[in-house]
Amino acid sequence: DARVTQTPRHKVTEMGQEVTMRCQPILGHNTVFWYRQTMMQGLELLAYFRNRAPLDDSGMPKDRFSAEMPDATLATLKIQPSEPRDSAVYFCASGPGGSSSTDTQYFGPGTRLTVL
Amino acid sequence: AQSVTQPDIHITVSEGASLELRCNYSYGATPYLFWYVQSPGQGLQLLLKYFSGDTLVQGIKGFEAEFKRSQSSFNLRKPSVHWSDAAEYFCAVGSLSGGGADGLTFGKGTHLIIQP
Repeated sequence: DARVTQTPRHKVTEMGQEVTMRCQPILGHNTVFWYRQTMMQGLELLAYFRNRAPLDDSGMPKDRFSAEMPDATLATLKIQPSEPRDSAVYFCASGPGGSSSTDTQYFGPGTRLTVL
Repeated sequence: AQSVTQPDIHITVSEGASLELRCNYSYGATPYLFWYVQSPGQGLQLLLKYFSGDTLVQGIKGFEAEFKRSQSSFNLRKPSVHWSDAAEYFCAVGSLSGGGADGLTFGKGTHLIIQP
C-alpha cells in the first residue's frame, strides 16, 4: 500500500530555531505539494514541485521558508528562523501527474509543529 | 482567483439518517472538484473527485456528490451515516496545467457529528 510518509510526525521547538520537515512521495509520483493547516486559516497551499522543479511557491513566506526536492524521493520544507505563528500541521501530498483522470493528490499524515 | 465555501461549520446527524454537506465554488474555467475527509490527528483521505463527464460521482464509503454548474455547487451526500463517518470534511477545487494538477484550494471544512 503506497503512502506518502512525513517525518517527524511531531516537532516542538523554540522560537528562532531552524525546523526541517521531510516528505517521501509515493514512488513514481512526479508532483509534490506542501500545505499548512491552522485553525484560523484552514488548509493553505504553500508550494509545489513537478519533476523536482518548483512550480509555485507564492503561498510561502519567502523570508523564512524554503522548499526543495534534493531528489525524486525526498522533499523538504525548512523554516529558519521559526516563529510561534508557524505553529501548524504541515502536510505533504504527492500526485502522479499526467492526465486529469488520473491525477489525484495523496496526503501524508502531516507534521505537527509547535513553536514556543 | 478560485475559492471554495462550505457554509456549514458543524453538522449533527443521527446515525442512520441521510447526510448532505454543501460546497460552493468560484472558478473561472472548468473546475476540478474534490471531497476529502480528515479524522482527528490524521491526514486527508480522498472520498471522490469530479473532472468531467457524469455529474453524479460515486466515491468510497458510500458517498456520492453531484456537480451542478448552474449553482456552482458540489454537494456531498450519503443515504445513511454510520458513527465512523464522524470527521472533518473538506471540499476543494483545483486546476490543471501542463503535466498535471496544480495545488488545491480548500474550503474551511465541515465538522460532522454523529448522534447515536
